[in-house]
Amino acid sequence: DQQVKQNSPSLSVQEGRISILNCDYTNSMFDYFLWYKKYPAEGPTFLISISSIKDKNEDGRFTVFLNKSAKHLSLHIVPSQPGDSAVYFCAARGTSGTYKYIFGTGTRLKV
Amino acid sequence: ETGVTQTPRHLVMGMTNKKSLKCEQHLGHNAMYWYKQSAKKPLELMFVYNFKEQTENNSVPSRFSPECPNSSHLFLHLHTLQPEDSALYLCASSQDWAFQETQYFGPGTRLLVL
Repeated sequence: DQQVKQNSPSLSVQEGRISILNCDYTNSMFDYFLWYKKYPAEGPTFLISISSIKDKNEDGRFTVFLNKSAKHLSLHIVPSQPGDSAVYFCAARGTSGTYKYIFGTGTRLKV
Repeated sequence: ETGVTQTPRHLVMGMTNKKSLKCEQHLGHNAMYWYKQSAKKPLELMFVYNFKEQTENNSVPSRFSPECPNSSHLFLHLHTLQPEDSALYLCASSQDWAFQETQYFGPGTRLLVL
């Protein structure tokens, strides 16, 4: 059973518009979340993170929102640029027992 | 070189072969990881080494054997693999195997088992 789900395998957005990538999780013990971006033939690169003590974190064009009650995470990219075309993975981690990250299956964004 | 490097980038092997994947990190980190990414599946953590000691083995079959001679190098020894082991194998490192540490990934080795 997947604990971290990215239900949209792909997303297409026009240049200059907002891209919204979504991620849902099931484990209420998760309290730290990350987004990674992956280009073809490269490893994932860290993009932005958020702790459960916050509901928003912003870094330039990238903003991550966390809704703990809904167990939902989203990444907003504004404005979207062609160079943002990549696969985006969300990952979640608990803080007790094991520190391992659980990854979603990714969403392919095309701008 | 900077960051996390992996060699080879591509590998084709038969089920009776023995091969090794190599990972090197130039970030001064103390924790290193092996992940497997199969088609349309999420990244799966395989092994974790922290200060050269294995701290996590995620129920990985014994045909995969990790080795961490020092904090900068990590190997994955492969023997008698199955076709379903074909996947992208990613190495990552972080400062420590601890709370809220960002992991930095290498480019991966794409493995095909015939």
